[in-house]
Amino acid sequence: GIQVEQSPPDLILQEGANSTLRCNFSDSVNNLQWFHQNPWGQLINLFYIPSGTKQNGRLSATTVATERYSLLYISSSQTTDSGVYFCAVTNAGGTSYGKLTFGQGTILTVHP
Amino acid sequence: AAGVIQSPRHLIKEKRETATLKCYPIPRHDTVYWYQQGPGQDPQFLISFYEKMQSDKGSIPDRFSAQQFSDYHSELNMSSLELGDSALYFCASSFGLVNNEQFFGPGTRLTVL
Repeated sequence: GIQVEQSPPDLILQEGANSTLRCNFSDSVNNLQWFHQNPWGQLINLFYIPSGTKQNGRLSATTVATERYSLLYISSSQTTDSGVYFCAVTNAGGTSYGKLTFGQGTILTVHP
Repeated sequence: AAGVIQSPRHLIKEKRETATLKCYPIPRHDTVYWYQQGPGQDPQFLISFYEKMQSDKGSIPDRFSAQQFSDYHSELNMSSLELGDSALYFCASSFGLVNNEQFFGPGTRLTVL
């Protein structure tokens, strides 16, 4: 099946700093989503971005499907940004209709 | 906007007991997915349904079964519970089966004692 690798595994920032999270995938994808899992365990949709660039406030994301990677940018980080960030994809090939394969996540800690 | 609803939010069971988790998708969504997230792990796909038919199956134990009903809600039935079944169970929904954004519910935290 498709492999999804995220880096870095852990990231510690001071409030106000910027960061870039990376997601590499091993095959072509139909769907790529970024999620934030908060300390209560909820998975919050950040971006649906199989290709191109999107921005939402302090967050933006870029997916270069031909090179099989996606980047999530967080600017002016806040303590509430802490949590785990997951990248998840659906494989364009085979018969895996719609199922998301997740990366291992990046654990982000933002200190005041 | 309406979100995916899961019930119960927390569930405590003894080994060998059964559990039923329920999922109510976003209105007009016809596809439901179930995922299991163990402690410190990423979510793993279990099973999905499109228009009330099973569309895909992942690493779901034979002790688990699921279905999607005529009103599109779904239930995950888990029997002969084991300690290793303790996890966060997510339901997600989408409109259509392919190339569509999935929206996740708040999850059901199952603890097996």
